[in-house]
Amino acid sequence: ETGVTQSPTHLIKTRGQQVTLRCSSQSGHNTVSWYQQALGQGPQFIFQYYREEENGRGNFPPRFSGLQFPNYSSELNVNALELDDSALYLCASSLDNSPLHFGNGTRLTVT
Amino acid sequence: AQSVTQLDSQVPVFEEAPVELRCNYSSSVSVYLFWYVQYPNQGLQLLLKYLSGSTLVKGINGFEAEFNKSQTSFHLRKPSVHISDTAEYFCAVSRTGGFKTIFGAGTRLFVKA
Repeated sequence: ETGVTQSPTHLIKTRGQQVTLRCSSQSGHNTVSWYQQALGQGPQFIFQYYREEENGRGNFPPRFSGLQFPNYSSELNVNALELDDSALYLCASSLDNSPLHFGNGTRLTVT
Repeated sequence: AQSVTQLDSQVPVFEEAPVELRCNYSSSVSVYLFWYVQYPNQGLQLLLKYLSGSTLVKGINGFEAEFNKSQTSFHLRKPSVHISDTAEYFCAVSRTGGFKTIFGAGTRLFVKA
């Protein structure tokens, strides 16, 4: 089975720019969650998508938005980037409410 | 709301020694508990999970954890560690199996030769 894949692996952006991160779910999974992991910290829940609808959100501002597509792949968009947005962004997929399966993440650096 | 506290930020241990990584959680409702491992430059991998039933849960790579409801703890143990166990370990909690999983800050296990 194909695991969760994320692209790109690394990205450097300038403050104020916009970024799109992509994620392909593990085969057979219908739910996608996005997490932000700052250096030296645990992952923080951003939001979750189930069957193309957002069905849960953490404490992140509206400039963090997402999409889930019919094939259950997903995008995370961040507008008006800030220096504090520098982090590892993790995508995780699951089937309904089963435990999460993570990709290797996208390392975003904002300068 | 749920929260997770990992009591040790770093745990150094010699190879073949036993290890315990401590985790306490807080929740007003029943929860599911997880331990994940993160190797350098990788995502998180599920080690084990407690959903219900037996309080002693066995996972991959020889790890096990014990759920203690009265002490609200879910400590991770391994009787004999290897150099390859050096990684970051995260305890996590969820009201359901995976929705809005809340993670602790992590414990860095460093296994020395």
